[in-house]
Amino acid sequence: EDQVTQSPEALRLQEGESSSLNCSYTVSGLRGLFWYRQDPGKGPEFLFTLYSAGEEKEKERLKATLTKKESFLHITAPKPEDSATYLCAVHEQAGTALIFGKGTTLSVSS
Amino acid sequence: GAGVSQSPRYKVTKRGQDVALRCDPISGHVSLYWYRQALGQGPEFLTYFNYEAQQDKSGLPNDRFSAERPEGSISTLTIQRTEQRDSAMYRCASSSMGTDTQYFGPGTRLTVL
Repeated sequence: EDQVTQSPEALRLQEGESSSLNCSYTVSGLRGLFWYRQDPGKGPEFLFTLYSAGEEKEKERLKATLTKKESFLHITAPKPEDSATYLCAVHEQAGTALIFGKGTTLSVSS
Repeated sequence: GAGVSQSPRYKVTKRGQDVALRCDPISGHVSLYWYRQALGQGPEFLTYFNYEAQQDKSGLPNDRFSAERPEGSISTLTIQRTEQRDSAMYRCASSSMGTDTQYFGPGTRLTVL
């Protein structure tokens, strides 16, 4: 059973059209939730870490939020350069590694 | 400062050959992770080192896969007797002491013919 589920799988937006990406997770104890951006042919690039429900972090047009069961990555007024795959990962309390979702591929057209 | 580097970036080999993939972590990072990423999927954990000690190898698919980090810096992932199903992107990540944030390298694309 999937521990990290991201939706939608793909999202097409017009430039300036705000939206949200979802990451739902089922783990016994959350040590941290991570958002990464991945461009084609490159390794995941770290964006945010969230540790507790209610926490929010922002970077430019991106804002990540966390509840006890899911996280959202809000994209405000996106630009074409925001086009990428966004990966969510969780780190369990008793775990070693990050457990990744399959990602959401975002395409922003001008 | 330099990020995580991996070499080679691309490796094509014939079935049955052994391959060695190298990872050079960010300077000073004590933790090092190996992941494998299939197309359209997120990275999947293979193994983890803290300094030179391999602390978790639960993700290694079988005993053809091994990894080492003898001096607590550079790591090598070795796949013996490669099979076509081993074809994938192999990624390395590192993190510093006291933090869970992992920084990823560009990966090695392995193709087994």
